[in-house]
Amino acid sequence: NAGVTQTPKFQVLKTGQSMTLQCAQDMNHNSMYWYRQDPGMGLRLIYYSASEGTTDKGEVPNGYNVSRLNKREFSLRLESAAPSQTSVYFCASSRRELTDTQYFGPGTRLTVL
Amino acid sequence: AQTVTQSQPEMSVQEAETVTLSCTYDTSESDYYLFWYKQPPSRQMILVIRQEAYKQQNATENRFSVNFQKAAKSFSLKISDSQLGDAAMYFCAYRSPQNTPLVFGKGTRLSVIA
Repeated sequence: NAGVTQTPKFQVLKTGQSMTLQCAQDMNHNSMYWYRQDPGMGLRLIYYSASEGTTDKGEVPNGYNVSRLNKREFSLRLESAAPSQTSVYFCASSRRELTDTQYFGPGTRLTVL
Repeated sequence: AQTVTQSQPEMSVQEAETVTLSCTYDTSESDYYLFWYKQPPSRQMILVIRQEAYKQQNATENRFSVNFQKAAKSFSLKISDSQLGDAAMYFCAYRSPQNTPLVFGKGTRLSVIA
């Protein structure tokens, strides 16, 4: 049972380039989340998807778009990367949105030059 | 808005000893959920323990236990018999029962000294 998987693990982009971070979960969870973690900070929510077909903005959505491709997969896209988006990105999932425990993927370290 | 404060950026503990990590939060809600997550050098966030605010009994998971003081809005994590593998960043998090996301503290880096 893989849990939550993320690809890639590391990525370096130049300013203005675009890329998509992939996330998949095999726990049949309904809700999925994207966070970013910056030095000295806790995790901040970028976007979440309460259920297949729905997405909502979190605390820091600017510069990002998401797609809930199906129940398993939730991708995060940077259309025009900026150095301020250098961060570690975590995907998470939970059985339901409300109070369930979230399970996290291993993270993607993104550097934007 | 809810806030979570971890006042100890760094802590250290001798192997086999006990350490307590502090967490306070601010909320006007009476029902909510609290979590401690561990983030080892591998960076993956791992759930350590969870507490429902309506439960008076403190949650425990093996060597990990919490001291939940609802009136004081305090949720500390106690690690007993500390092991080298406990070295990590520890994050306290709050969740409202409404449709709101987890709110994280800034974390406490725990070092375990052999």
